[in-house]
Order: sequence, then structure tokens, then C-alpha cells
Amino acid sequence: EVQLLESGGGLVHPGGSLRLSCAAAGFTFSRDALSWVRQAPGKGLEWVSTISGGGGGTYYADSVKGRFTISRDNANNTLYLEMNSLRAEDTAVYYCARTGEVWLQPDYWGQGTLVTVSS
Amino acid sequence: QSVLTQPPSASGTPGQRVTISCSGSNSNIGNNFVFWYQQLPGTAPKLLISRTNQRPSGVPDRFSASRSGTSASLAISGLRSEDEADYYCASWDDNLSAKFGGGTKLTVL
Repeated sequence: EVQLLESGGGLVHPGGSLRLSCAAAGFTFSRDALSWVRQAPGKGLEWVSTISGGGGGTYYADSVKGRFTISRDNANNTLYLEMNSLRAEDTAVYYCARTGEVWLQPDYWGQGTLVTVSS
Repeated sequence: QSVLTQPPSASGTPGQRVTISCSGSNSNIGNNFVFWYQQLPGTAPKLLISRTNQRPSGVPDRFSASRSGTSASLAISGLRSEDEADYYCASWDDNLSAKFGGGTKLTVL
């Protein structure tokens, strides 16, 4: 059974930083691309970033490019999202999702972690 | 403004068939797989349709999907009260990004 468990969310001031983690189990972690997708309160889903299985390919939404960094530790089955220069509009539930291939869309999702950017 | 365009709302009565559209372009829906998700209130999205028209194991055959050119659609037949949820389409875009539709809120009257 595929399991994805996000952690690291919380309250942060504008301009601050936060690092999200996603612990994965139940599949061959190093083989599959992984993504972060977020959902602002009362809004729709927004793709944030995707990383290839080996970690050599990374892709970002324009809204986070230059501020967020996706990475992975294939030895410890963990996905990360380093978020810097946070803005109020980054407030959202952040979901970790297994994508399989970079050019596919998620098949399994975590339960999400809430990030609130507020002074 | 989402790159993939969905109607904000749809509705139907129990037993009816409803369809939800998703309009894109040649760089996304026209050239890449389309995925559909169901999101119940307070929960994570659930994959309904994979690779444009494939139902994952466990998804009822009341759910089906298709694509024509740069548009895709999700059909739900035999509508049930538990189908009331938000539905999203998604596709990879050739500019190396993923796109989601704005979502459609389905109401079962």
C-alpha cells in the first residue's frame, strides 16, 4: 500500500522560510517521480513542483520558481520542499503526491500539511 | 485563471448522467494524458481517471472519460448522492509544467 505522510507545515511570517517533508512507503521510491500540489483555503488545486525519480530533473510553477526548491533523499524515501521568501499567497495545504513519470499526473496523494503565512 | 478551463458548477438528480468538461490547448490536453480527480470536503484528492480514459482499480464503472482534440470530459452515470464533490482535471504541458483545471463543484439535487 502506497503511503505518503507530509510534515513540517505551520505558521510563518512573510519573508520567512519553511521546509516540508514527505515520508513515503509502499513503492519503489527511487523509481518514481514525485510532486507537490497545493490548495489555498477555499480554492482549487495548484501544481507546485515535480522531481524525477533520480532527482536530476526538477520542474516548478512560475509562482514559486526561484523561491522554492524540491529535492529528495532516495536512501531514506523522503521528499522535501524548501520554501523561502514566503508570501501570504503561499498559504495553502501542501500535498505530496506520487507521479510515476514526470509527464504524468499524481496517482497517490498524502493527506497534506497546512502552511500559513501571516504576520 | 487556470490554464485548463472547467465549469465552476454542475448538478443533477439521482440516477441522471452528468458530464464535466475540461478545455485546454495543443500543448497540454491535445498532446498529453488527462487525469481526473474527485475531492470530497476536507479530504485529499482521489484519482478517478488515469491516462485520459483509464479507471484505476476500485473506481466504479459509472465514471468514464474521453478526449476530443484539446478538450476532455468526465461523465458520471447513475448519479448518486455520494458523488457530490469537487472534480478536477489535470494534464502535463509541453512547456514542462503541470496544469490543473479550476475545479467543478458537483451538486446532487
